[in-house]
Amino acid sequence: GAGVSQSPSNKVTEKGKDVELRCDPISGHTALYWYRQRLGQGLEFLIYFQGNSAPDKSGLPSDRFSAERTGESVSTLTIQRTQQEDSAVYLCASSLGRGGAVAGELFFGEGSRLTVL
Amino acid sequence: KQEVTQIPAALSVPEGENLVLNCSFTDSAIYNLQWFRQDPGKGLTSLLLIQSSQREQTSGRLNASLDKSSGRSTLYIAASQPGDSATYLCAVRPSSNDYKLSFGAGTTVTVRA
Repeated sequence: GAGVSQSPSNKVTEKGKDVELRCDPISGHTALYWYRQRLGQGLEFLIYFQGNSAPDKSGLPSDRFSAERTGESVSTLTIQRTQQEDSAVYLCASSLGRGGAVAGELFFGEGSRLTVL
Repeated sequence: KQEVTQIPAALSVPEGENLVLNCSFTDSAIYNLQWFRQDPGKGLTSLLLIQSSQREQTSGRLNASLDKSSGRSTLYIAASQPGDSATYLCAVRPSSNDYKLSFGAGTTVTVRA
């Protein structure tokens, strides 16, 4: 597609439920990132994919969080047993990856707003 | 650990005035620096990307400078318009092999008509 697409755009769930957030990166972008933005705060790095592998998972807050990427394309961020502190906007970004003058320029999706009641 | 700071946190100017937004970073060994715009409830839009070998980048009314040795970047927006009202974030990438960006907390700009 023309840009990074995320779904759902809004999700309201009850504490303890599992949620899945989806990201479709720009076609051909090998690098994919997940960030979290709590209300009124800056961006918090969660995980980075190069192709289908995740060399850096250091930002995942707990073992309730996991992410996968398949076909060097779509990525899914899963949060199990959601807690109220998980409420935030989850932003996905993609970039070309290695090489080229603009390699590394990130393009973000609109985000998935998660509210845990 | 790279720390990125943006001062001021908020800025209000009358339409037509030039905007100057500051970004400072503690580790000068960076690969590139990127400026983004974020509108309320929206994702981030890339404005300018400056490679570590460059001193500035320009796009329309926007100009971003980079001084690696002093750990600073400045985003200039000429002849501001109400549509420029948004939060502006800068982000630093540490190296070509490290894709994890360090973000500043942003400067929220209001341009008054």
